[in-house]
Amino acid sequence: QVQLVQSGGEVKKPGASVKVSCKASGYIFTNYGISWVRQVPGQGLEWMGWISAYNGNTNYAQELQGRVTMTTDTSTSTAYMELRSLRYDDTAVYYCARDKPSTGATDYWGQGTLITVSS
Amino acid sequence: DIQLTQSPSFLSASVGDRVTITCRASQVIGSYLAWYQQKPGKPPNLLIYAASTLQSGVPSRFSGSGSVTEFTLTISSLQPEDFATYYCQQLNSYPLTFGGGTKVQIK
Repeated sequence: QVQLVQSGGEVKKPGASVKVSCKASGYIFTNYGISWVRQVPGQGLEWMGWISAYNGNTNYAQELQGRVTMTTDTSTSTAYMELRSLRYDDTAVYYCARDKPSTGATDYWGQGTLITVSS
Repeated sequence: DIQLTQSPSFLSASVGDRVTITCRASQVIGSYLAWYQQKPGKPPNLLIYAASTLQSGVPSRFSGSGSVTEFTLTISSLQPEDFATYYCQQLNSYPLTFGGGTKVQIK
């Protein structure tokens, strides 16, 4: 069965960087894209960006440009999201999700990773 | 960026009620819209894509309709497990924005 398993939660100081991993299984990794979505506790969903696992093409939310990098490692079927220069308002649960082909919708999601930015 | 406005933001309903949630896009998005359900502490779950196509495994009491800029999610007979927050997402152009959410609560 399709599974996306994310790395564990972390506490980071302002200005630091964090890299969240998302290990996929149960499907051909390079046939799908991966989206990253974050959610501040108690608030709505925010789309962060997308990466093609086939060729590494990316598309990032404008407000995160310059701070976020999404990558994949096809040898391990793992996607990564790195966020730099962390701010207090980056505290959120970060989700990876698999794109449903030809629709853009996301049909399988990771369990979420809580990143807390605190001094 | 395309803005999505969901209404209402909160909704109180009883088991068995028919519930309708609206999502309005700031620009034409054709049928490039998805609906998700999210329960506390869980990731979102895809319900509907392409505005009206039911995702595999989703109960038939959920349905989606609309196109261009106006969309609706309907739950024909609300069940206890349907109390959750619902989000729409436009898939027409980047960034793939979400609506603000509709929390469905027990009356």
